[in-house]
Amino acid sequence: GENVEQHPSTLSVQEGDSAVIKCTYSDSASNYFPWYKQELGKGPQLIIDIRSNVGEKKDQRIAVTLNKTAKHFSLHITETQPEDSAVYFCAASRRAAGNKLTFGGGTRVLVKP
Amino acid sequence: EADIYQTPRYLVIGTGKKITLECSQTMGHDKMYWYQQDPGMELHLIHYSYGVNSTEKGDLSSESTVSRIRTEHFPLTLESARPSHTSQYLCASSGTGIFDTGELFFGEGSRLTVL
Repeated sequence: GENVEQHPSTLSVQEGDSAVIKCTYSDSASNYFPWYKQELGKGPQLIIDIRSNVGEKKDQRIAVTLNKTAKHFSLHITETQPEDSAVYFCAASRRAAGNKLTFGGGTRVLVKP
Repeated sequence: EADIYQTPRYLVIGTGKKITLECSQTMGHDKMYWYQQDPGMELHLIHYSYGVNSTEKGDLSSESTVSRIRTEHFPLTLESARPSHTSQYLCASSGTGIFDTGELFFGEGSRLTVL
């Protein structure tokens, strides 16, 4: 089955700086790569996703890049703000597999004011 | 905003008790999932369903069971709780057909503590 590795497990950044989280996956048939944000006491919520036919996607201050050859993808958050503090999860799946996501281990991001 | 609800949010019970965690969604989604989240944050799929009367075990073995008698309802049951079952349980759903974007909508979770 799929295995997703995520690094780092914790990340502390100064407000205004950028944050980068990296993930690698094992199943070359995976073609859907979402990122979820989980705030304290809440369930994860989708913030951005990318499909295998695209190398990069951006939405305001967040962007995701995908390298299918190397089987890794990354989340970039620019101009970080205190409300970006949360746990972030990457995930991978085959879209034909019924949206069964395999999640990375999570990254706890702390943005210091 | 997602309409998926879990009850109870918090539950503390003694060993050997039977418990049911409730999950309901009002979006008409066919696909529903249960994830277990351990204290180290990792999310593990323990059960999923693609529709009424369809249930499958996920990647992580679990002593819990699920049922899907109605589209909107996907309860999880532990017949005899043990301290090793202490965890957060997250329910999720996703759309079908042309509404299937791949996005999972999560509830806020049920935090179970077994003494």
